[in-house]
Amino acid sequence: DAGVIQSPRHEVTEMGQEVTLRCKPISGHDYLFWYRQTMMRGLELLIYFNNNVPIDDSGMPEDRFSAKMPNASFSTLKIQPSEPRDSAVYFCASSLLSGLAGTGELFFGEGSRLTVL
Amino acid sequence: LAKTTQPISMDSYEGQEVNITCSHNNIATNDYITWYQQFPSQGPRFIIQGYKTKVTNEVASLFIPADRKSSTLSLPRVSLSDTAVYYCLVGDNGDTNAGKSTFGDGTTLTVKP
Repeated sequence: DAGVIQSPRHEVTEMGQEVTLRCKPISGHDYLFWYRQTMMRGLELLIYFNNNVPIDDSGMPEDRFSAKMPNASFSTLKIQPSEPRDSAVYFCASSLLSGLAGTGELFFGEGSRLTVL
Repeated sequence: LAKTTQPISMDSYEGQEVNITCSHNNIATNDYITWYQQFPSQGPRFIIQGYKTKVTNEVASLFIPADRKSSTLSLPRVSLSDTAVYYCLVGDNGDTNAGKSTFGDGTTLTVKP
């Protein structure tokens, strides 16, 4: 398996522009997570999905952020309009709830580094 | 959910054994202890998970005392490539999959030549 695939790896944009980050989870995984990492705040959970349904979006910083998962193999995180303080590395992760024997291991993508000027 | 406390940073030298301890005084009966490793410019990567006593894999060992209020990640004979941030997470599989096992600040391990 190719692992969790994120795109773009790097994005530089200007304040006010729309940003769309994409994620392809590992096939068969039923959970998908979006995290944001900054030096100041560390690794923060933004939102997660179970079977394509958003379960908890309490970590989404504000209405400028939205996330969708139209099918089991694709998710997007959109920021509109973007602001300089949104500059961070955004990670997507997926996992499989495999019952009593599972570890709940999170598989992370390589991240999308966003710079908003 | 159990809160974890671990040292902010540690230094070591190549070839040494490194032990990173994590405190989790409020660990619940169903909670597992999981460690992740993060290299610069990469996402965290699962290292090891345990419930009690000792767990060993090809990368590390995890020691958990009987009261389970702490755990120690042991990295044998570290090399420069082990320089990374190490996170200790506590939660049951449901918490993990619910994103409730938070990553905290982690321990930055620096291995020197």
